[in-house]
Amino acid sequence: QSALTQPPSASGSPGQSVTISCTGTSSDVGGYNYVSWYQQHPGKVPKLMIYEVNKRPSGVPDRFSGSKSGNTASLTVSGLQAEDEADYFCTSFAGLHYVFGTGTKVTVL
Amino acid sequence: QVQLLQSGAEVKEPGASVRISCKISGYTFTADYYFHWLRQAPGQGREWMGKINPSGGTTFYPHTLQGRVTMTRDTSTNTVYMELSSLRSEDTATYYCVRGNQFAFDVWGQGTMVTVSS
Repeated sequence: QSALTQPPSASGSPGQSVTISCTGTSSDVGGYNYVSWYQQHPGKVPKLMIYEVNKRPSGVPDRFSGSKSGNTASLTVSGLQAEDEADYFCTSFAGLHYVFGTGTKVTVL
Repeated sequence: QVQLLQSGAEVKEPGASVRISCKISGYTFTADYYFHWLRQAPGQGREWMGKINPSGGTTFYPHTLQGRVTMTRDTSTNTVYMELSSLRSEDTATYYCVRGNQFAFDVWGQGTMVTVSS
């Protein structure tokens, strides 16, 4: 189960946008529209932010959006707020299993 | 709302087995959802360990854990279990019970720390 590649860190000032990439292969990200994104604050349980590439669960602000091109999925956080500072990771269905991203720490400057 | 309550931390010796429970509240077992087990070792990536349908008991495991992991359920107590055998040091990790929904994980247990050490 090879991990999906994410940048270790990303940052932006309040009100700005930040985009995190999640790169896999044609066997996972590129092969299925089943990429999901999670936010995890220190010491807390992960929270689902995006599923099926670009769908938001009820209660997730529309500042969070997802997209995919080829083998790379992306999460964009617009209008950054202090509470968006957290770790973010992606997950993709890969046929018989799931693979996870390496995680990105987002810092709000 | 659906809540998942996992059993407490465990310390095991190499070669032993561990069984973690996940009590599901606010949800009646149906065939609509699978419950998955994930783990994350310290400083390592996350790993999918398999899934179980609480209604019929159907399970799926990755080939990397075939033969070592067993998932079961008790419909009378709304609890799912994950047992991992032949423990080794690299099994030291936090284990999560999560609900699968639309190929994503929408409800998470609080996590159970398992330490494998002699």
